[in-house]
Amino acid sequence: EIVLTQSPATLSLSPGERATLSCRASQSISSSQLSWYQQKPGQAPRLLIYGASTRATGIPDRFSGSGSGTDFTLTISRLEPEDFAVYYCQQYGNLPLTFGGGTKVEIK
Amino acid sequence: QVQLVQSGAEVKKPGASVRVSCEASGHTFSAYYMHWLRQAPGQGLEWMGWINVNSGGTNYSQKFQGRVTVTRDTSISTAYMELSSLRFDDTAIYYCAMTSVTPRSWFDLWGQGTLVTVSS
Repeated sequence: EIVLTQSPATLSLSPGERATLSCRASQSISSSQLSWYQQKPGQAPRLLIYGASTRATGIPDRFSGSGSGTDFTLTISRLEPEDFAVYYCQQYGNLPLTFGGGTKVEIK
Repeated sequence: QVQLVQSGAEVKKPGASVRVSCEASGHTFSAYYMHWLRQAPGQGLEWMGWINVNSGGTNYSQKFQGRVTVTRDTSISTAYMELSSLRFDDTAIYYCAMTSVTPRSWFDLWGQGTLVTVSS
């Protein structure tokens, strides 16, 4: 099973600041088969990024993904008030499909 | 508008079974894979298994093998997840989510979630 470790657990930032979230895999993820999701309280997760760097339909360009192998990053260039949420990475290269433990981006 | 609509909250006793439904609308139901995931209170996401909506073939996480059964009824565009021998730590929000093209993929679309509470 591929274990995904997200860091930091909590990120305290102000609107307008840049957020950098990390997702590290216990083994290499083939073909950059990694996605990112945003989840707000009481809501289902929403797909942001797939293929490590491709934005999903309707996702603003302030969200970007990068990385390969075992190290991946989600960057939010300038935080908007609606971006404060929990973010999860997910790998789909190997079974079982697994998620990271999440990073909470909170208002400082 | 494409959407997945799940059944309502359930309260079950330990040892019982629960069945959650997920109705798809606005797209060709048989062209997708329907997955089931869960999220315990305050915790992360856990994948349970999938069904090929076209063929009915399934694949389950080893953790849930023997306790989970995923089925579908294409005539009403609905998938079902049944979890048996419920324990207190099965208390969670259960989500259905779709992947297209292949089952090993990102989750395009999610249901709204169904809270299952296991309580004596």
